[in-house]
Amino acid sequence: GQSLEQPSEVTAVEGAIVQINCTYQTSGFYGLSWYQQHDGGAPTFLSYNGLDGLEETGRFSSFLSRSDSYGYLLLQELQMKDSASYFCAVGSGNTGKLIFGQGTTLQVKP
Amino acid sequence: DAGVIQSPRHEVTEMGQEVTLRCKPISGHDYLFWYRQTMMRGLELLIYFNNNVPIDDSGMPEDRFSAKMPNASFSTLKIQPSEPRDSAVYFCASSPGTNNEQFFGPGTRLTVL
Repeated sequence: GQSLEQPSEVTAVEGAIVQINCTYQTSGFYGLSWYQQHDGGAPTFLSYNGLDGLEETGRFSSFLSRSDSYGYLLLQELQMKDSASYFCAVGSGNTGKLIFGQGTTLQVKP
Repeated sequence: DAGVIQSPRHEVTEMGQEVTLRCKPISGHDYLFWYRQTMMRGLELLIYFNNNVPIDDSGMPEDRFSAKMPNASFSTLKIQPSEPRDSAVYFCASSPGTNNEQFFGPGTRLTVL
């Protein structure tokens, strides 16, 4: 089967750094992605890791270790607007299909 | 481009009624996905299409659910008959390829009374 695990909730203060971990079990692994979803909104794509290592996009970075079936999303210089749910998702073979984790709710406090 | 378009944005219906959700993907995207999101079950893939052909419908909960994609610019998800447990937000997403970047529509919030 396929499964992903990520923490259900994380709280941090404005300006801080937070890391959201994701571990996965899947057959035909085809990359790890991260999506952000604000309350009442739609998921939006943040990042993709197809190979091991770190990908950086502005204040957000994402890391993948395929040997450990593990990845994380790192958010720096947290802002109030970063309060949202963050989902990791794994690609299932070269099919375009994604399996999503249950999501991590990030609350940023002043 | 206007992004993925879904209609209606909100739907309230009574148990037993037929519900049809509509989606227009981004032009040129070959993949179209239907998801359902609830607090209990999270974001679940129901079915997806590649070049208008259904590829994987293993996530469709039961025979009451059906989806079609008659052309590259339109897809429907139908529930007949609807039940209260179908209440959820239904998202349509499209993608140009298999690089894991999917573009989601605003969703349809369905309430079945």
